[in-house]
Amino acid sequence: AQKITQTQPGMFVQEKEAVTLDCTYDTSDPSYGLFWYKQPSSGEMIFLIYQGSYDQQNATEGRYSLNFQKARKSANLVISASQLGDSAMYFCAMREISTGNQFYFGTGTSLTVIP
Amino acid sequence: NAGVTQTPKFQVLKTGQSMTLQCAQDMNHEYMSWYRQDPGMGLRLIHYSVGAGITDQGEVPNGYNVSRSTTEDFPLRLLSAAPSQTSVYFCASSYGPTGLEQFFGPGTRLTVL
Repeated sequence: AQKITQTQPGMFVQEKEAVTLDCTYDTSDPSYGLFWYKQPSSGEMIFLIYQGSYDQQNATEGRYSLNFQKARKSANLVISASQLGDSAMYFCAMREISTGNQFYFGTGTSLTVIP
Repeated sequence: NAGVTQTPKFQVLKTGQSMTLQCAQDMNHEYMSWYRQDPGMGLRLIHYSVGAGITDQGEVPNGYNVSRSTTEDFPLRLLSAAPSQTSVYFCASSYGPTGLEQFFGPGTRLTVL
């Protein structure tokens, strides 16, 4: 079974609008971390935001917020006020603490911001 | 700090050749890992290390070897390259086993003919 599922291969958003990128995960480990990374066309991986499984509040980092719904096992990324520079691939990832700290990545969502 | 560095940036191999992808970090991170990125597959973990002298297999370890003799270096060896190993390889590191953020290197684009 897939540990991380990203069901949106491609998304479009108008500049200055908000967009939600979906991510669901599968784990039986009670202790885990959820991450979002951005990969622009230049290829580097850029860390955006982190949510721990025991965190009560949704994580926020500037224009990025993580909508964490533990019971649904979802960790959607919300980007507010989209900018042209947000056009990139976005990867959701999970780290299971009790199984050797392995990271699992989703297949990614390609976001295009339209002027 | 240079962060995570990888060499080479590009490499072309013939089937059956061997080579080592180099990875180094200067942040004194305990945790280091290697991923491969293929189109439509996301990143898949090849091998990882939680400290010098300790390595373990990830999701796709076959055809690759690693060692961790120092905290700074974590080389990835391709023993006998195959076309299926054509991919982009990323090295990453983080603070300790529960370090939050993974820092990624710039990647190595490998083509096996």
